[in-house]
Amino acid sequence: QSALTQPASVSGSPGQSITISCTGTSSDVGGYHYVSWYQQHPGKAPKVMIYDVSHRPSGVSDRFSGSKSGNTASLTISGLQAEDEADYYCSSFTSSDSFVFGTGTKVTVL
Amino acid sequence: QVQLQESGPGLVKPSETLSLTCSVSGDSINDYFWTWIRQPAGQGLEWIGRTWTRGNTDYNPSLKSRVTMSIDTSKNQISLRLSSVTAADTAIYYCAKLFLHSSRFDPWGQGTLVTVSS
Repeated sequence: QSALTQPASVSGSPGQSITISCTGTSSDVGGYHYVSWYQQHPGKAPKVMIYDVSHRPSGVSDRFSGSKSGNTASLTISGLQAEDEADYYCSSFTSSDSFVFGTGTKVTVL
Repeated sequence: QVQLQESGPGLVKPSETLSLTCSVSGDSINDYFWTWIRQPAGQGLEWIGRTWTRGNTDYNPSLKSRVTMSIDTSKNQISLRLSSVTAADTAIYYCAKLFLHSSRFDPWGQGTLVTVSS
């Protein structure tokens, strides 16, 4: 199975909004409501930010939101803050009864 | 609050079998999937597989021939075995809880580094 496609990097100034895309196929992103997003700071384990396309776990800032259209899912971070600088990965369930992760996006706060 | 802790040898020889354990505390091991995910240094995440106490086990198709996952309910532990390892299997290995009927991997263990080298 091929990794989902994400932009290598996205940047924004504090207070701005950025969107990270995650493109797959009808056999993964497009076929299921099981897309999630993870934030990973250097040397740390990933942390779930969004699950099942648009659900946010308790404790995660409402500045993070998720959506999906066709074979592409998106994570939007509004009101960008310095602490949001990290790597972000999407994940999707697949028709092979497995999960696949995205290639990862480095978010830089200018 | 659930906590996960990975453990096992940090160094494995090529062609041998990598064996890791994930110890779960603060939660029932019976009501969720449990997964293994790995990350080579400086690279992205790779899903290895999931298992739960009702027997369903699914693996990454690219690793399926070499992977075995199991659960020991008496010890609240999940194990991972990866056979015939090569340098390409060098990575940080994480275990994570996967909610049923969901894409939510939460939480994750801190991860354990496994290096494949002679």
